[in-house]
Amino acid sequence: QLQLQESGPGLVKPSETLSLTCTVSGGSISSSSYYWGWIRQPPGKGLEWIGSIYYSGSTYYNPSLKSRVTISVDTSKNQFSLKLSSVTAADTAVYYCARQRLRSCAFDYWGQGTLVTVSS
Amino acid sequence: EIVLTQSPDFQSVTPKEKVTITCRASQSIGSSLHWYQQKPDQSPKLLIKYASQSISGVPSRFSGSGSGTDFTLTINSLEAEDAAAYYCHQSSSLPWTFGQGTKVEIK
Repeated sequence: QLQLQESGPGLVKPSETLSLTCTVSGGSISSSSYYWGWIRQPPGKGLEWIGSIYYSGSTYYNPSLKSRVTISVDTSKNQFSLKLSSVTAADTAVYYCARQRLRSCAFDYWGQGTLVTVSS
Repeated sequence: EIVLTQSPDFQSVTPKEKVTITCRASQSIGSSLHWYQQKPDQSPKLLIKYASQSISGVPSRFSGSGSGTDFTLTINSLEAEDAAAYYCHQSSSLPWTFGQGTKVEIK
């Protein structure tokens, strides 16, 4: 059974960089059939797609965040990572990593999510 | 950017009732529309892909329909465990976007 697990600091100071890693188990991140994505959800609000990456390193970012986002993949560790720079309180959210089917682009497996709070 | 607008935002429903949630896209997206269920304090779960295609393991009371700009998620004979927020998601064009969500409460 595929599992995804987010990890990283739960508290980040304003203007600093948020860094999260998603570890994939029970399947290979190098599969040609999937993208790997990040989605966030501010407390009490809806879902926002941040960006996705293919195992080759090709990336797709939400234009609203593109200037601050970097997503990378480490196939040797079966992990992919998110960096969001210059964070503000508006970036406080639960961050999810998810597998995304290449053909449909539906997110079919999700991590449990990790709350990141931006505060001094 | 394609905007997805769901209605209603909130619905309070009696068990065994039928629930209908709509999702309207700001431009035609064909059938590239997917539905998710998010129970409290859980991550979203894929319910329906490509507007109407069922997902293995999802109860048959969940169904989807529509194409173009108007889509519907139907829950036949609501059960208590269906209390959740429901989101639509389009993958027709980047950036991929989600609807604002519909919260279903059990009376």
